[in-house]
Amino acid sequence: DAGVIQSPRHEVTEMGQEVTLRCKPISGHDYLFWYRQTMMRGLELLIYFNNNVPIDDSGMPEDRFSAKMPNASFSTLKIQPSEPRDSAVYFCASRQGLPYEQYFGPGTRLTVT
Amino acid sequence: AQKVTQAQTEISVVEKEDVTLDCVYETRDTTYYLFWYKQPPSGELVFLIRRNSFDEQNEISGRYSWNFQKSTSSFNFTITASQVVDSAVYFCALTPWNTGFQKLVFGTGTRLLVSP
Repeated sequence: DAGVIQSPRHEVTEMGQEVTLRCKPISGHDYLFWYRQTMMRGLELLIYFNNNVPIDDSGMPEDRFSAKMPNASFSTLKIQPSEPRDSAVYFCASRQGLPYEQYFGPGTRLTVT
Repeated sequence: AQKVTQAQTEISVVEKEDVTLDCVYETRDTTYYLFWYKQPPSGELVFLIRRNSFDEQNEISGRYSWNFQKSTSSFNFTITASQVVDSAVYFCALTPWNTGFQKLVFGTGTRLLVSP
């Protein structure tokens, strides 16, 4: 089975632009997680979904960030407007049931100039 | 509160040496799970092992072994006869019962550099 798929792998954008990151979880997994990784803050959980429903978005840094999961096989993380401090690697992960391990995608490296 | 501490920021070894990566965790829960992940230079996070709090048996998988000791709240990871391909950042993580096992609490990672 294919792993978690993320696109794009790299994104360079200018401050103020809208950025959309995409994720396809592993088929059959009912949990989806979005993380951000920076040198300063390490791995941070932004939001997670269970059966396409957002469960906890307390890690979303501010209103500029939003995430959706319209169906079991697709999720987006949107930043609007983007700022240089949003530069990071964004990971999507999925999991089947509790408390099993999360499987991570390859990440999207976002650079905001 | 839950916390995972990986005190070793970076370790450098020469190929074929054994190396142990330390992980100390804090939780008030008696039921929890512990994990190790590997992040090679290519960037993806790779799951290595899951262990529940009721199973203190050590585990061995090839050159990898894990030592779980509840008495010291540690879940250490040993690589025997290290290889250059083992160079990566290794993360220890915890998910406790009081979060419904929903969230992973990650340590800050240990960077392992294996030189030929």
